Amino acid sequence: AQKITQTQPGMFVQEKEAVTLDCTYDTSDPSYGLFWYKQPSSGEMIFLIYQGSYDQQNATEGRYSLNFQKARKSANLVISASQLGDSAMYFCAMREGRHTGNQFYFGTGTSLTVIP
Amino acid sequence: NAGVTQTPKFQVLKTGQSMTLQCAQDMNHEYMSWYRQDPGMGLRLIHYSVGAGITDQGEVPNGYNVSRSTTEDFPLRLLSAAPSQTSVYFCASSLSRQGLTEAFFGQGTRLTVV
Repeated sequence: AQKITQTQPGMFVQEKEAVTLDCTYDTSDPSYGLFWYKQPSSGEMIFLIYQGSYDQQNATEGRYSLNFQKARKSANLVISASQLGDSAMYFCAMREGRHTGNQFYFGTGTSLTVIP
Repeated sequence: NAGVTQTPKFQVLKTGQSMTLQCAQDMNHEYMSWYRQDPGMGLRLIHYSVGAGITDQGEVPNGYNVSRSTTEDFPLRLLSAAPSQTSVYFCASSLSRQGLTEAFFGQGTRLTVV
């Protein structure tokens, strides 16, 4: 089974609108972390936001927030007030905390295009 | 603040050639890893290391070797390049082997095997 599933290959959003990028995950480890990365056309991977499995509140970082629904195993990224510079690939990732050497599992990504 | 430095940025190889992708980090991170990124497949783990002298295979290790002689460096060797290894390669490091901290990525290497 896929550890991370991103079902939206491409998304469009109007500038200044909010957009939600979906991510579901699969793990039996009670301790895990969820991450979102942005990859602009220049290619680098930029860390956006982190949510721990034991965190009581949804993580927020500026215009980014993570809608964490533990029972549904979903960790959707919400970008508020979209800007043209938000056009990029977005990857959801998970890291389990059970043991050492725990790797990151990445989804296949969502390509976001912000329309002026 | 160098972070994770990955070289080269671009490389073209002929089938059968070997080469080494370099990766260095200056954050004293224990955990380092190599990924390849192919269209529609996200990032797939090739090899990883939890400390100097310790390496292990990831999801797609065939055709690649790694070593970790120091905390800072984690080179990836392509033994005999094949067109199927055309990809973008990323090196990443993380603060804690067991923690849930984020990974820091290098700039990536775009490799083409002809």
